[in-house]
Amino acid sequence: ETGVTQTPRHLVMGMTNKKSLKCEQHLGHNAMYWYKQSAKKPLELMFVYNFKEQTENNSVPSRFSPECPNSSHLFLHLHTLQPEDSALYLCASSQVMGGKNIQYFGAGTRLSVL
Amino acid sequence: SQQGEEDPQALSIQEGENATMNCSYKTSINNLQWYRQNSGRGLVHLILIRSNEREKHSGRLRVTLDTSKKSSSLLITASRAADTASYFCATGGSETSGSRLTFGEGTQLTVNP
Repeated sequence: ETGVTQTPRHLVMGMTNKKSLKCEQHLGHNAMYWYKQSAKKPLELMFVYNFKEQTENNSVPSRFSPECPNSSHLFLHLHTLQPEDSALYLCASSQVMGGKNIQYFGAGTRLSVL
Repeated sequence: SQQGEEDPQALSIQEGENATMNCSYKTSINNLQWYRQNSGRGLVHLILIRSNEREKHSGRLRVTLDTSKKSSSLLITASRAADTASYFCATGGSETSGSRLTFGEGTQLTVNP
């Protein structure tokens, strides 16, 4: 148990569906992240939030829409996805200070887009 | 190419043997981290080494850092079947990277019983 909880663990959706991924951290961290992990590709950083403010959007298509209502919760809203969006989506949190940024990851949501 | 590239991409050894994985990076760093990922799960932080450190130990893990060569190695001694996982290095913590970490492509380690 890392202190970062992601739901759902598995999600199958059609290209016209709208769904949301949820992430919650119980560690009191000030930063939260969404990553995409596809087979045989490096971990791709999607979004970064510091103190609820989005500080990085790594050229992510608009069909992915993040939301950070408070420093403990992070959502990823999905709509009109493509089959190539099928991947493991990982949430992480960290307390960034003094150049150290040890990230704690959730178990991920395995997304399949049909 | 990628900041944080591991080699080999895959490594298969017998239980009890040592496993060595390498990581190279391109830009200046404040620290380098190693993470482990079991299949289909999230990453777990293993160890962090600062740019002014050359070697660090944690249990059966030994990490080295050579900033002149921009490379790091992770040694797992007396490996166990439970060490089977993917191992990633991650760099960041510099003034320009802010809270961003950049992960390599990982080394898939298989420890055969």
